[in-house]
Amino acid sequence: EAGVTQFPSHSVIEKGQTVTLRCDPISGHDNLYWYRRVMGKEIKFLLHFVKESKQDESGMPNNRFLAERTGGTYSTLKVQPAELEDSGVYFCASSPGGTSTDTQYFGPGTRLTVL
Amino acid sequence: AQSVAQPEDQVNVAEGNPLTVKCTYSVSGNPYLFWYVQYPNRGLQFLLKYITGDNLVKGSYGFEAEFNKSQTSFHLKKPSALVSDSALYFCAVTWKGNSGGYQKVTFGIGTKLQVIP
Repeated sequence: EAGVTQFPSHSVIEKGQTVTLRCDPISGHDNLYWYRRVMGKEIKFLLHFVKESKQDESGMPNNRFLAERTGGTYSTLKVQPAELEDSGVYFCASSPGGTSTDTQYFGPGTRLTVL
Repeated sequence: AQSVAQPEDQVNVAEGNPLTVKCTYSVSGNPYLFWYVQYPNRGLQFLLKYITGDNLVKGSYGFEAEFNKSQTSFHLKKPSALVSDSALYFCAVTWKGNSGGYQKVTFGIGTKLQVIP
């Protein structure tokens, strides 16, 4: 069974540009999560999808971030325009259920560097 | 608000010796606790979790963790460390909210484990 995949693995962009990150969850997992880890800090929750609906987007930093999950399969996270403080590793995770006890399975992450 | 503390940025242990990676937490209700490991250039891998029941939880790769409610701790342990255990370890907590359902997961800052040959 394929795990969670993310694309690209690395992205280097200049301040003001746009970047779109993609996550493909494990097949059949209705729940998809986005997290971000800034260098040396904790992994922070960004948002949670149940199928195509946003269950919780309380962790999204500001309106420069837009997450979508059309059709309830893969998800994209767009940053527009990117700022220096957006640099970090963006992780995607998925789980079959959406309860607090469900194990989340993580992708390898996308390392975003904004210059 | 829930929180997780991993008080050690790095833990060094000799190969073959027992290892402990510390984690304490704070939540409003009954906690659900997780340990994840991140190997270099890889994503987070699930190690183990505590939901309810036996306070000693066994997980992957010979790791175990003990839930201690009075000390609000969930330390990760292994009886004999391997060089291949060298990685970044994250503790995480969530809880069953008053209305049930999903509560977002809060992660610690991570502890780098270095096993010395």
